[in-house]
Amino acid sequence: KQEVTQIPAALSVPEGENLVLNCSFTDSAIYNLQWFRQDPGKGLTSLLLIQSSQREQTSGRLNASLDKSSGRSTLYIAASQPGDSATYLCAVYGSARQLTFGSGTQLTVLP
Amino acid sequence: EAQVTQNPRYLITVTGKKLTVTCSQNMNHEYMSWYRQDPGLGLRQIYYSMNVEVTDKGDVPEGYKVSRKEKRNFPLILESPSPNQTSLYFCASSSGLAGGGEQYFGPGTRLTVT
Repeated sequence: KQEVTQIPAALSVPEGENLVLNCSFTDSAIYNLQWFRQDPGKGLTSLLLIQSSQREQTSGRLNASLDKSSGRSTLYIAASQPGDSATYLCAVYGSARQLTFGSGTQLTVLP
Repeated sequence: EAQVTQNPRYLITVTGKKLTVTCSQNMNHEYMSWYRQDPGLGLRQIYYSMNVEVTDKGDVPEGYKVSRKEKRNFPLILESPSPNQTSLYFCASSSGLAGGGEQYFGPGTRLTVT
């Protein structure tokens, strides 16, 4: 059964810092990996989708990488802003036809 | 605008009173699914559907029913809700082969069962 782990569970950084969120998964037989953002009590906003054949995706200040063979992904956020404060969720989609989510990294960017 | 909608957004009900949470998407996606989110347990899949009239259980299907009579709609039915079904529920849809495209989530339905 697929398991997804996110480290760290919480992170607090001053505004302007570059930061890296980590995600690891146990079963490398995935179709894709998706990063989401969730604000407290709100829905999930898709940030980046990486297909299993891809190595990375970029959107604005965000860059996500995927190393399927080692079961790892990283989300890099450049020049962090207070508006980036949220919980970031990593999820993998595989043969079970479901997204398996990590428990998330709660990010706080201090002004 | 491409979106997944859910109704109601908030619902307080009593044990045993049947309820339905609707989910609709306007992206012509074949794959749709339901998740629940609970503190400390994260997001877990309840049911999914690969296409019209094709549904299957996820990790936590007990106490729930679904139907997929139309491509755009995927309602979640709680025939006899219990307090342990108090949760935040999300509907999602996806394009791509076997649902392997980008997943789009609805805004969530916060359900309280007393």
